[in-house]
Amino acid sequence: EVQLVETGGSLVQPGKSLKLTCATSGFTFSNAWMHWVRQSPEKQLEWVAQIKAKSNNYATYYAESVKGRFTISRDDSKSSVYLQMNSLKEEDTAIYYCTVAAFAYWGQGTLVTVSS
Amino acid sequence: DIQLTQSPSTLPASLGERVTISCRASQSISNSLNWYQQKPDGTVKRLIYSTSTLESGVPSRFSGSGSGTDYSLSISSLESEDFAMYYCLQYATYPYTFGAGTKLELK
Repeated sequence: EVQLVETGGSLVQPGKSLKLTCATSGFTFSNAWMHWVRQSPEKQLEWVAQIKAKSNNYATYYAESVKGRFTISRDDSKSSVYLQMNSLKEEDTAIYYCTVAAFAYWGQGTLVTVSS
Repeated sequence: DIQLTQSPSTLPASLGERVTISCRASQSISNSLNWYQQKPDGTVKRLIYSTSTLESGVPSRFSGSGSGTDYSLSISSLESEDFAMYYCLQYATYPYTFGAGTKLELK
């Protein structure tokens, strides 16, 4: 059974940093292309970032809204994907989901609130 | 960026009714479209991928169709567990984009 568990969400002040973790099991992580997707308080879903597998040179892609501030990475030995979020803004407030297999499987999400 | 216009935003319907949700792309997405259901607890489930392929375990009352820029999700006979939020997603071109969602509610 595929499982994705996101952790690391919290209340953080604007301008600060936060790192999210998605721990996975139930599939061959090293071959998987992983994504982060977020959902705003208004319920709009937004694709955030993608990281491909080692065979694809761990290529990364980002939404324009987070480019230069967020970094997606992975640790194949831990079957985990990460999202380092720097220079956070209030508009980054959302539930952050990790997803895999062409968005077939989703975690339960972790809430990030950016507020002073 | 490819914009996905999803309609209606709210869909009041009755048990047993047939409903259709539309998703229109701002340019051709070559059938690279998925449909998702989200329950109030936040659980996201893929229903349909590649426009019309039913996800394993998803009831056959769900179906997807479309081509080019116009796509739709139909539910043939609504059951109580179908009342939820529905979203479309295009993965033809970066950045991947979602429709704004349709809230299917009990009339």
